[in-house]
Amino acid sequence: NAGVTQTPKFQVLKTGQSMTLQCAQDMNHNSMYWYRQDPGMGLRLIYYSASEGTTDKGEVPNGYNVSRLNKREFSLRLESAAPSQTSVYFCASRIIQGTEAFFGQGTRLTVV
Amino acid sequence: GESVGLHLPTLSVQEGDNSIINCAYSNSASDYFIWYKQESGKGPQFIIDIRSNMDKRQGQRVTVLLNKTVKHLSLQIAATQPGDSAVYFCAENIPRHKLIFGSGTRLLVRP
Repeated sequence: NAGVTQTPKFQVLKTGQSMTLQCAQDMNHNSMYWYRQDPGMGLRLIYYSASEGTTDKGEVPNGYNVSRLNKREFSLRLESAAPSQTSVYFCASRIIQGTEAFFGQGTRLTVV
Repeated sequence: GESVGLHLPTLSVQEGDNSIINCAYSNSASDYFIWYKQESGKGPQFIIDIRSNMDKRQGQRVTVLLNKTVKHLSLQIAATQPGDSAVYFCAENIPRHKLIFGSGTRLLVRP
């Protein structure tokens, strides 16, 4: 049982490049989340998907788009990467609200 | 690995002592709260949770206290061990599925 799997684990982008961060969970969870964590800081919610077919903005959505591809997969896209988007990105999932969320191991993104 | 907690408030305790980590949450409508532990280079791991209709919940060596009047949450760790050294975050569930994290506290356990 893999839990929450994020790919890639590490990525370096040049300013202006685009990329998609992938997240998949095998726990049959309904809700999925994307967070970013800057060095020495807490986690900030970018976007979330309460259930398959829905997505909503979190605290810091600007510069990002998401797709809930199916119940298992929730991707995060950076259309034109900026140095301010250098961060560690975490995906999480949970079965319903009011339960614990399980986290992936993170994607470490550097934009130069 | 990735350095977590460089600028976070730090609590330093002696091994074997009890630790108390505090958290102020933001939304009076929050109905569920979670404490997470994050070790360097890893994703957050669940420790304990509490619903808004409770004041206290105990786990193995950990206790969470909730004071809704002042929107305050605390995590108590009994007999703190070196393996407890990490960054600790509280998270609040805001109705309609948002799970928002607090700023975190770094716990250092002195041998």
